[in-house]
Amino acid sequence: AQKVTQAQTEISVVEKEDVTLDCVYETRDTTYYLFWYKQPPSGELVFLIRRNSFDEQNEISGRYSWNFQKSTSSFNFTITASQVVDSAVYFCALSEARGHSGGSNYKLTFGKGTLLTVNP
Amino acid sequence: EPEVTQTPSHQVTQMGQEVILRCVPISNHLYFYWYRQILGQKVEFLVSFYNNEISEKSEIFDDQFSVERPDGSNFTLKIRSTKLEDSAMYFCASSEADRPYEQYFGPGTRLTVT
Repeated sequence: AQKVTQAQTEISVVEKEDVTLDCVYETRDTTYYLFWYKQPPSGELVFLIRRNSFDEQNEISGRYSWNFQKSTSSFNFTITASQVVDSAVYFCALSEARGHSGGSNYKLTFGKGTLLTVNP
Repeated sequence: EPEVTQTPSHQVTQMGQEVILRCVPISNHLYFYWYRQILGQKVEFLVSFYNNEISEKSEIFDDQFSVERPDGSNFTLKIRSTKLEDSAMYFCASSEADRPYEQYFGPGTRLTVT
């Protein structure tokens, strides 16, 4: 069964600090996808990034960067020079492909989330 | 840009009543999902739907729950007899055939059962 662990329940930083959110996953599949979502206080889920299991290249998007390491089953997310607007709950998620009646099911398994508070 | 929409944004109902949560997925998408998030907890998979049938359902998705795609555009989640513990945010998601792993989420419906 697939599982996602976000060991950090809450993190509090001061603006401009760098912060890394940890994510460790478990899966039996060789093909899978990893995601990060942001959930601001308004409640919607905002997609941040997707990586597939064949692509271990790290990615940078502005102040955001992601470190994918298959050897440790980790997909960590770093925010550089954090801002107050980064305050939110961040979820890591995993999707495996499951065949069914000729179609597939890419259900997402989410971690418990990390509440990030960035103080001015 | 196309988006998934959900109505209503907030529904308040009494215990034992039936509720229907509505979702309009992106028009060319073929995979549909419902997820649930109890306040302060993680997002949990409820059910996936493809080719007019359920692909997979979780343990949460018991006989009180059902899904339907009645008219080719809407995707509904029905809870037959609501319980207090059904109070949660319900998210609909959809994805297209070429990129089925890329789910687009709706804004959610907050269900409050009193």
